[in-house]
Amino acid sequence: NAGVTQTPKFRILKIGQSMTLQCTQDMNHNYMYWYRQDPGMGLKLIYYSVGAGITDKGEVPNGYNVSRSTTEDFPLRLELAAPSQTSVYFCASSRPGSSNQPQHFGDGTRLSIL
Amino acid sequence: GQNIDQPTEMTATEGAIVQINCTYQTSGFNGLFWYQQHAGEAPTFLSYNVLDGLEEKGRFSSFLSRSKGYSYLLLKELQMKDSASYLCAVSLDSNYQLIWGAGTKLIIKP
Repeated sequence: NAGVTQTPKFRILKIGQSMTLQCTQDMNHNYMYWYRQDPGMGLKLIYYSVGAGITDKGEVPNGYNVSRSTTEDFPLRLELAAPSQTSVYFCASSRPGSSNQPQHFGDGTRLSIL
Repeated sequence: GQNIDQPTEMTATEGAIVQINCTYQTSGFNGLFWYQQHAGEAPTFLSYNVLDGLEEKGRFSSFLSRSKGYSYLLLKELQMKDSASYLCAVSLDSNYQLIWGAGTKLIIKP
């Protein structure tokens, strides 16, 4: 079972470059999330989606964009990379229905902006 | 605002018991999760509490007091593989958005 798959695992960008972090899940989960995790800090929600065609901002959406054209895929776009976006990015998914459904995480993308 | 507090780091001995505390002040409450995260890896789900009391799951147990805004994770018979960060997260509403604590790094010594 693949679960949540993120690509790439590592990436170095120059300031001002753009890139898309890919996330796909094969569990037919409606809910998907993007987080960033900085050293010594909790996970911060960037964007989330409750289903195909529906996205919403989380705590720290500035500098990022998302789309959700299918249930499986939830890519995260960085348009103009800045050093403050150096972080580890995690994609997660969960089933709707009741609040006890845990989030399942991908292995993360380690992004450095230089 | 939303606030979740956990100790930054704890040290325990192999075979012993450790309790990791989590206190929260949030605008809503729809349950509390504990996750384990090994260094360089993704968080993995450990437990969920929405009612007061203790939930036991093998060597791991989790406790919740909603009136005190308090939870703890109890790890028994510690093993070296339990060395990891333990993350506390509160679900605020029905969209299942979580507010995360910074995590507690647990170091197990032989």
